[in-house]
Amino acid sequence: RKEVEQDPGPFNVPEGATVAFNCTYSNSASQSFFWYRQDCRKEPKLLMSVYSSGNEDGRFTAQLNRASQYISLLIRDSKLSDSATYLCVVNEGTGTYKYIFGTGTRLKVLA
Amino acid sequence: DTEVTQTPKHLVMGMTNKKSLKCEQHMGHRAMYWYKQKAKKPPELMFVYSYEKLSINESVPSRFSPECPNSSLLNLHLHALQPEDSALYLCASSQESTANTEAFFGQGTRLTVV
Repeated sequence: RKEVEQDPGPFNVPEGATVAFNCTYSNSASQSFFWYRQDCRKEPKLLMSVYSSGNEDGRFTAQLNRASQYISLLIRDSKLSDSATYLCVVNEGTGTYKYIFGTGTRLKVLA
Repeated sequence: DTEVTQTPKHLVMGMTNKKSLKCEQHMGHRAMYWYKQKAKKPPELMFVYSYEKLSINESVPSRFSPECPNSSLLNLHLHALQPEDSALYLCASSQESTANTEAFFGQGTRLTVV
């Protein structure tokens, strides 16, 4: 079983749609969780950290369920510019600088 | 300055060559990383340096040799690579923290081994 798993997609959605991505992680000691976005042939860039209480940044909402070892990302009112690969990233534990990437989910927003 | 700078951006090398990838950050981060990314795959961790000391080596072949000359610089020395080592090599850095500290990535070096 992979340490961090995501549905690879692709998710093809029309502009304005709401889309949700899920991610599961295997190490129950994992401490920090993030969503990164990666455009084609570019480096990953932080989209948002994921906090235990859930957090929102504009059209993006992230949730964490520690009991189920599950993270989600919701994108509302999708824009063409949201087309990218979304990577779930888990940092395994206090003082362990090991950022593990999920397999990534490709999103294509269609006009 | 929230930048991680990598040079060169592109590199083509023969299997008998020796080359080095360089990474620099001036954010005062004390952890630095090398990742390897193949096409349509996620980045895979290779090495982690914490306070200029190698703390994690993910069983990387010895033809890849990391070096951390100081807290701002990270190098990856390459020798006798194979064509399957062609990939995007990403450097990242992060603060020392116990929680919710994100990693910042450089633009990567796209390496082709011929």
